[in-house]
Amino acid sequence: GAVVSQHPSRVICKSGTSVKIECRSLDFQATTMFWYRQFPKKSLMLMATSNEGSKATYEQGVEKDKFLINHASLTLSTLTVTSAHPEDSSFYICSARGGQGDHQPQHFGDGTRLSIL
Amino acid sequence: GQNIDQPTEMTATEGAIVQINCTYQTSGFNGLFWYQQHAGEAPTFLSYNVLDGLEEKGRFSSFLSRSKGYSYLLLKELQMKDSASYLCAPMDSNYQLIWGAGTKLIIKP
Repeated sequence: GAVVSQHPSRVICKSGTSVKIECRSLDFQATTMFWYRQFPKKSLMLMATSNEGSKATYEQGVEKDKFLINHASLTLSTLTVTSAHPEDSSFYICSARGGQGDHQPQHFGDGTRLSIL
Repeated sequence: GQNIDQPTEMTATEGAIVQINCTYQTSGFNGLFWYQQHAGEAPTFLSYNVLDGLEEKGRFSSFLSRSKGYSYLLLKELQMKDSASYLCAPMDSNYQLIWGAGTKLIIKP
């Protein structure tokens, strides 16, 4: 149980392109989803927290207009990197937490490796 | 501030036992999670401790001492596939996980 699907797994595109990443909880309802980015050998950096049906809460330093998050249903959240540039290249990972309480573990998708040329 | 301290890297032998220690300081505390992360992959959930003591789950066990701000992950009968990073992630008063860089565990034959 607690499977989270994230795709695409890898994106290579030109600078200026917008990229959409989907995160789905397949066998549970995710009241809260999280978006992280991770640089090689570094810790996970929380970008934003999203609750179904409400606006995402962004961490300090994360541009809301650059990283658009939509959590339209209890099983789907999307992250759109708008007008991506080479410095946006990173490993983006989503996680989802069920509605049985905030003590529930976060279950992660497989991540999306984004490379902007 | 919030802080996590784990060894950067550890090496152990296949079949042996290894203990990965973690000390933490958080604003409030709502339990501590351990995750495994293989290189280039996303983390996978291993264990959760909210009360003091040892939680055993197969070859893996996790211990917590809240008064000491200390936890450890114990891996028994090590296998080559256990080579990965192990992330200690306490949860603060806002139910937010605090992430460090983790401990890279290298298993040698």
